[in-house]
Amino acid sequence: RKEVEQDPGPFNVPEGATVAFNCTYSNSASQSFFWYRQDCRKEPKLLMSVYSSGNEDGRFTAQLNRASQYISLLIRDSKLSDSATYLCVVTFSGGYNKLIFGAGTRLAVHP
Amino acid sequence: DAGVIQSPRHEVTEMGQEVTLRCKPISGHNSLFWYRQTMMRGLELLIYFNNNVPIDDSGMPEDRFSAKMPNASFSTLKIQPSEPRDSAVYFCASSENSAGANVLTFGAGSRLTVL
Repeated sequence: RKEVEQDPGPFNVPEGATVAFNCTYSNSASQSFFWYRQDCRKEPKLLMSVYSSGNEDGRFTAQLNRASQYISLLIRDSKLSDSATYLCVVTFSGGYNKLIFGAGTRLAVHP
Repeated sequence: DAGVIQSPRHEVTEMGQEVTLRCKPISGHNSLFWYRQTMMRGLELLIYFNNNVPIDDSGMPEDRFSAKMPNASFSTLKIQPSEPRDSAVYFCASSENSAGANVLTFGAGSRLTVL
């Protein structure tokens, strides 16, 4: 089983749609969780951290379910500019907080 | 701040040649990471430095790969000899070394093609 698993997609949605991605992780001792965004042929950039109580940043909502070991990202009112690959990132403790990246979920928002 | 700076941005070389990728982390960041990204395997951590010391090199594929960090503002990743399967985008990233500060800032990457 992979340490961090994501549905690769692509998710093809129209502008204005709401879309949700899930990510599962294997290590129950993981401490920190993030979503990164990667545009085509660009570097990954931090989108948002994921807190235990859930958190929201504008149209983006991230949630953590420790019992089921998954995190989610909800995007409301999708924009064309949201088209990108969304990477789920989890830290694994092992002497240091090693970041493990999921393979990413590709989102394509169309007019 | 100029961010994490990597060079070269693109490199095309022939099998057997030596490749050296360079990285300048953000000033004040104590942690530096080298990642490799391919379509098949996604982002893989190759090596992690903290305060210029290699902490985790378990992701380095084999002896052909080596990395150094001679000072806080410079790191290199070397492949010798290179092989076609090394073709990938190599990212350098840095972060502050404080509790909870696991946010990575990535460089623009070095796209390597080995023919």
